[in-house]
Amino acid sequence: GAVVSQHPSRVICKSGTSVKIECRSLDFQATTMFWYRQFPKQSLMLMATSNEGSKATYEQGVEKDKFLINHASLTLSTLTVTSAHPEDSSFYICSADRRGKGRTEAFFGQGTRLTVV
Amino acid sequence: AQKITQTQPGMFVQEKEAVTLDCTYDTSDQSYGLFWYKQPSSGEMIFLIYQGSYDEQNATEGRYSLNFQKARKSANLVISASQLGDSAMYFCAMRGNYYTGANSKLTFGKGITLSVRP
Repeated sequence: GAVVSQHPSRVICKSGTSVKIECRSLDFQATTMFWYRQFPKQSLMLMATSNEGSKATYEQGVEKDKFLINHASLTLSTLTVTSAHPEDSSFYICSADRRGKGRTEAFFGQGTRLTVV
Repeated sequence: AQKITQTQPGMFVQEKEAVTLDCTYDTSDQSYGLFWYKQPSSGEMIFLIYQGSYDEQNATEGRYSLNFQKARKSANLVISASQLGDSAMYFCAMRGNYYTGANSKLTFGKGITLSVRP
């Protein structure tokens, strides 16, 4: 099956610093990737839709300047949490869409557990 | 707008028994796909099974089957012969415009925690 790699899997950073999370589709080209945030025992909350070569589309209530998304190539999207604060601590997970045979399948990265201290 | 409802509290099942996880949905789309994902404590989202809205037969994947009742807008997941490794959180999700391949988002339910007892 298709593989999506997300890195790092865990990161601890100091308050005020920025953290970059990478999401790569390893064996297919993904024009669309999605970034989610998940709190413990809760569902995935969509943060933004990342489209290759264009600006990301953010969900209502998500700060664009806080969560910078770049989709520079068909296999890589990055999420940068800028000036991180403890309330940004969470589990972040990406997915990449693969289209084929009239169907669209989502493949997820392993997730990144961010802790801001 | 699309909505997925998973209302069961934490579920418990004895090892080797079958369990049904409920999912109801609401959408105005004629073409849509329904998905189930498993999320163990490690956090990864593992795809289990999907059902297209135009598929006449219920989907099956090994020990997983999807009880699709279109008129009732339900897509329950049945896990047969539960194993200890099935203990995880399970999410039902749907995507509109599934067959056209148009760009659309996955809508997730709030999830169900399944615990398998030895």
